[in-house]
Amino acid sequence: AQKVTQAQTEISVVEKEDVTLDCVYETRDTTYYLFWYKQPPSGELVFLIRRNSFDEQNEISGRYSWNFQKSTSSFNFTITASQVVDSAVYFCALRHSGNTPLVFGKGTRLSVIA
Amino acid sequence: EPEVTQTPSHQVTQMGQEVILRCVPISNHLYFYWYRQILGQKVEFLVSFYNNEISEKSEIFDDQFSVERPDGSNFTLKIRSTKLEDSAMYFCASSEFKGTGELFFGEGSRLTVL
Repeated sequence: AQKVTQAQTEISVVEKEDVTLDCVYETRDTTYYLFWYKQPPSGELVFLIRRNSFDEQNEISGRYSWNFQKSTSSFNFTITASQVVDSAVYFCALRHSGNTPLVFGKGTRLSVIA
Repeated sequence: EPEVTQTPSHQVTQMGQEVILRCVPISNHLYFYWYRQILGQKVEFLVSFYNNEISEKSEIFDDQFSVERPDGSNFTLKIRSTKLEDSAMYFCASSEFKGTGELFFGEGSRLTVL
């Protein structure tokens, strides 16, 4: 069975602070894909990143970075120097190979205060 | 940039009425999905569709739901007799590759059942 746990329900930070959103996953498969999506107040789901299980390299994209650690089954997301526009709900998700459904965590609501 | 489009953006209906939500996936994508998000909750898988048939469905996707690709471009979700608990945001998604690719989501259709 697949499961994604985002233990942080809500996080509030002051602008320019760094913030890390945690994601822990469970799967029995050796081949799988991990994702982060952003859901701003307007409601759409915006794709941020995909990682496959064979690639543990950390990734940085501007102020965003992701830390994938298979040993702890975690795929954490860090926003550096947060901005008000980062305020959103962030979902971590897991998918196996094959045409299998994407399984989402419950999401972390991030509020960045000016 | 190609995108998934959904109509209507918001629909209000009376309990017991039939509702059809429409989606136009990205044109070269072969895999289509419907997900649901009840307000404030996580995004849940409903159904996946490939080669004109359902690939997988969740237990939420009962006999009241059906999907169709009537004309090679639209992908529709029909709810035969809506219930109050069907009130949610419904997201359509498509992907190009089987399992490996990210899902591209539409902006969602908010359904309110009164």
